[in-house]
Amino acid sequence: QKEVEQNSGPLSVPEGAIASLNCTYSDRGSQSFFWYRQYSGKSPELIMFIYSNGDKEDGRFTAQLNKASQYVSLLIRDSQPSDSATYLCAVILGTYKYIFGTGTRLKVLA
Amino acid sequence: DGGITQSPKYLFRKEGQNVTLSCEQNLNHDAMYWYRQDPGQGLRLIYYSQIVNDFQKGDIAEGYSVSREKKESFPLTVTSAQKNPTAFYLCATAQGAKNIQYFGAGTRLSVL
Repeated sequence: QKEVEQNSGPLSVPEGAIASLNCTYSDRGSQSFFWYRQYSGKSPELIMFIYSNGDKEDGRFTAQLNKASQYVSLLIRDSQPSDSATYLCAVILGTYKYIFGTGTRLKVLA
Repeated sequence: DGGITQSPKYLFRKEGQNVTLSCEQNLNHDAMYWYRQDPGQGLRLIYYSQIVNDFQKGDIAEGYSVSREKKESFPLTVTSAQKNPTAFYLCATAQGAKNIQYFGAGTRLSVL
């Protein structure tokens, strides 16, 4: 079992819709969870981080964490074509080691 | 201008050659990381360093070497022992209790 799993996609949504990206992880001791956006040919950029169960909102983005079920999700409201990218989920093991999922490719259709 | 600087942006390696990728940061972050990304793949950890003069192997360290002589610098050498080096290499730094990680722009390495 992979430590961090994501559906590779592509996930296609129409412009203005809500995009829902999901991630599951295997280590119950994980405490910190991150979502990065990566445009083709570019480096990842941090979108959201979440540490506590529940929802965390930042603008059009909402991260949701459920430690009991070991999943973390990212919702993008009012999706725009500029949101089209690969979204990477990451989990910290221990103090310093990040484990990344393989990413979900999102396509927002104009 | 604060941030993480990776150089060069593109690098070509001849067979049997060692090449060194540079990563410099002026964020005063303690931790630095090197990742490799292959097309359509996630990030795989090569090496990481939590403090100066100390570093640990990641999941795919074979064929790579690093040094951490200064807090600002964490160069990665791709040795001739790495038989399939073509990839996108990313350097990252992290700081603070939450250890949020930030990335440089990356170096794309190809084999001639």
